[in-house]
Amino acid sequence: DTGVSQNPRHKITKRGQNVTFRCDPISEHNRLYWYRQTLGQGPEFLTYFQNEAQLEKSRLLSDRFSAERPKGSFSTLEIQRTEQGDSAMYLCASSQTQYRSGNTIYFGEGSWLTVV
Amino acid sequence: AQSVTQLDSHVSVSEGTPVLLRCNYSSSYSPSLFWYVQHPNKGLQLLLKYTSAATLVKGINGFEAEFKKSETSFHLTKPSAHMSDAAEYFCVASNYGGATNKLIFGTGTLLAVQP
Repeated sequence: DTGVSQNPRHKITKRGQNVTFRCDPISEHNRLYWYRQTLGQGPEFLTYFQNEAQLEKSRLLSDRFSAERPKGSFSTLEIQRTEQGDSAMYLCASSQTQYRSGNTIYFGEGSWLTVV
Repeated sequence: AQSVTQLDSHVSVSEGTPVLLRCNYSSSYSPSLFWYVQHPNKGLQLLLKYTSAATLVKGINGFEAEFKKSETSFHLTKPSAHMSDAAEYFCVASNYGGATNKLIFGTGTLLAVQP
C-alpha cells in the first residue's frame, strides 16, 4: 500500500493557462475525492467518483474545472483559464465503499497551485 | 445541514503539558466524527474517528477524543504534548447515512508546542 499519490506537488502558472493534476488512489479503493484548501481554511469538498462515475460535484466546481476518472483508477483534475483565485492546495483522497474497512478516507499530500 | 466549529484557531502549550483542542458539531442526525492532523507541506493524516461505537475514542500518538452528544462536542486531548505534535488539527464530520461520505472540515486549530 503506497498511499494516495498526487503530482505535480507544486505548480506555478500564469493566469489564463490551463493546468492538470493527477491523483493515483490506493489500489482497490473505488471512491476518489477531490478537495481544495486555501490558506488558513479547512479543505472544501469539490467532487467525488465511485469507480469511473462522477457522482457529486460541489458548487465550488465552476465550468472551468473538470475532473475525470476514465478507468476507475487514477483521476485528473483540470483547471482551464486559471485565475488568481484558483491558487490553493488541491487534495485527493480515496476510500473503499461505505461499510467496508471502517470507511476511512485517506488523503494524498496535495498539489499546490500558484497562479501569477 | 452539517457544520463543524473549532473554537480556537491557535493553541500554544508547553512540552509535557496537556493538550485540549475543542470542537463542536451541528448535525440533524448522528454524525461520524474525525480528527485529522496536517503537518507543514504534508497531507492530512487521520488521528482518530468516532462512528457511534464507544464514545471515548483512542487514536494514534496518544491522542483521544470523547463524543458528548448532550454538548454536541468532540474535543481532542492528549495528556502530554511533544514537540512533534506541533501541526494543524482539523475536526471533521461526515454523513455516512447519506449518499456520500463527503467530509465537512472545521477551519482548523494550529497547535504550537513550546520547549
